[in-house]
Order: sequence, then structure tokens, then C-alpha cells
Amino acid sequence: AQSVTQPDIHITVSEGASLELRCNYSYGATPYLFWYVQSPGQGLQLLLKYFSGDTLVQGIKGFEAEFKRSQSSFNLRKPSVHWSDAAEYFCAVVFSGTYKYIFGTGTRLKVLA
Amino acid sequence: DGGITQSPKYLFRKEGQNVTLSCEQNLNHDAMYWYRQDPGQGLRLIYYSQIVNDFQKGDIAEGYSVSREKKESFPLTVTSAQKNPTAFYLCASNQGLNTEAFFGQGTRLTVV
Repeated sequence: AQSVTQPDIHITVSEGASLELRCNYSYGATPYLFWYVQSPGQGLQLLLKYFSGDTLVQGIKGFEAEFKRSQSSFNLRKPSVHWSDAAEYFCAVVFSGTYKYIFGTGTRLKVLA
Repeated sequence: DGGITQSPKYLFRKEGQNVTLSCEQNLNHDAMYWYRQDPGQGLRLIYYSQIVNDFQKGDIAEGYSVSREKKESFPLTVTSAQKNPTAFYLCASNQGLNTEAFFGQGTRLTVV
């Protein structure tokens, strides 16, 4: 079955440190990839998306992600984390020609002052 | 402002009662979705609709029902057949195939 794996359930970083959140997806047709962020009790906000073209994509709030087809990965990065980045992050994939989004189980980010 | 509105934000019901969660969008999107979110399980798809008067079951449709009589509305009914209905429910929409989904703010349902 198609799936998305976020291997890190919790990550803690110090403010100002760099961040990388991992995401791997199972093999399928052309993937369309997304990262969303969720604050407690809120909906999901789109950080960035990859459809085609340059495999390094820039998003909002200083985030970027790199698509690596050979590794079936779409890792999210930020050079310097701010306390306001504390939230839960979800990776999602939808394969070409389908409506079904597949979400990872999320990574909860804690930022230390 | 365009967006997706879910109501109510919090909902309490007694066990055995049906309850309907509202989802309205003014983005003119064709597709709409309902997800259930439980801690540590990510988002699981309940139902989705690609077009008015048509919808498909997702991964966990048992105990839920939906309708899509209008493009902008996609209500979800949690029936008494749903064994564990207490959860956070998220509605989403998108323009169609291979486009990003936009989410509402969610409804937290508690069944006592």
C-alpha cells in the first residue's frame, strides 16, 4: 500500500539551530509532495509543495524542502529555527491522477529558548 | 476572504446520537475531503467528493455518512455506528487533481 513515513515523532532543537524533518514515501506514479504545519487545535497550513521542476523548493516562513526521487524522500529544512516554529509538521503525497492525499503521522517540533 | 469554514469548533454529544459537522468553502473548489485526526496517527481520510452529487469512501468510512448537494458544502454525519467517534475532524478542499489542499480549522467532537 502507498504510504508516507515520518520517522521522527518528536524533535527538539534550540532556537537558532538548524532543522531537518524527514519524509519518505512509497513508490508510486509521479508524486506531488507537500509539507503542512499545524498549531495545536488548528487546521493545517501549507508550507510548500513540489510538483515538478527544480527539486529544491522554497516555502513560507523560511522553510525549504528537497525532493530526491532516488531516495523517495522530501525532507524539510530550515537554517535557523525560531520559537514560533514549534508545531506539528505533516508530510503528504498525492500520486498523479488520484485525489487521495496520503499523510504521514507527523513530527512534533519543540523549540528550546 | 476566501476559505473553509468548519462549525462548530467544539461539539459534545451523548453516546448513541448522530451528529452532523458542517463544512463550507467559498474557494469555488471542486473537490472536498473529510479527515479524522487522532494523536500519533496523522490524518486518515473518511470521505471525499470530486464533484457535486458524487462522493467516495476513504480509508475509514464506516460509521460516517456525507452528502454533496452543493459545491460549497460537504457536511459529515457521525452516526451511532461509529465505535469511537471522539476525535478532531478536519475538512479540506482543492481545485482538482494534483493541486494543494486547503484546510478548515477543525471540529473537536467529544462523545460522552
